[in-house]
Amino acid sequence: AQSVTQPDIHITVSEGASLELRCNYSYGATPYLFWYVQSPGQGLQLLLKYFSGDTLVQGIKGFEAEFKRSQSSFNLRKPSVHWSDAAEYFCAVGSSNDYKLSFGAGTTVTVRA
Amino acid sequence: NAGVTQTPKFRVLKTGQSMTLLCAQDMNHEYMYWYRQDPGMGLRLIHYSVGEGTTAKGEVPDGYNVSRLKKQNFLLGLESAAPSQTSVYFCASERQASNQPQHFGDGTRLSIL
Repeated sequence: AQSVTQPDIHITVSEGASLELRCNYSYGATPYLFWYVQSPGQGLQLLLKYFSGDTLVQGIKGFEAEFKRSQSSFNLRKPSVHWSDAAEYFCAVGSSNDYKLSFGAGTTVTVRA
Repeated sequence: NAGVTQTPKFRVLKTGQSMTLLCAQDMNHEYMYWYRQDPGMGLRLIHYSVGEGTTAKGEVPDGYNVSRLKKQNFLLGLESAAPSQTSVYFCASERQASNQPQHFGDGTRLSIL
């Protein structure tokens, strides 16, 4: 069965600093990987996705993620954080033979001025 | 531009009461999902549907029932609400392909007293 681990429950970062959120997955074959963001009181919005090809994926809002098969990781990065990036971030893994996604527990990002 | 719409947004129930949560999507998506979100646990799949008239159990189906009588609607029912079902419920829909992202509604906050 597939699973996702987000090791960091909460991260605080200064505005303008860089951000990296960790995601490790467990899956036997090539996974489909997603990062979603959830603002308070809102549903989840897709930031980016990886299916195949280039392992560095660009997403919306200036985010990018890198798929590293050898490390079973799909870490999310942003070079310079804005106050509006304060939210909860979820990594998710799907597969080619399953309709379902497995989500990590989420990482809450706080941005300080 | 409605996307995925969930009704109601908030509800308070007494233990033992029943209710139905409605999810409607206007994107002609084949797949639909119901999740619950609890602190520190990410999203967990309750039930899902891969087409009109079909439903299947997810990770945490006990205490819930679903129906997909029309392609655009996916209903989640609680026959006898329990305090353990206090949660935020999210509906999502997806085009017919496992590598497509899911589109989420804004959630229903349900409290069982």
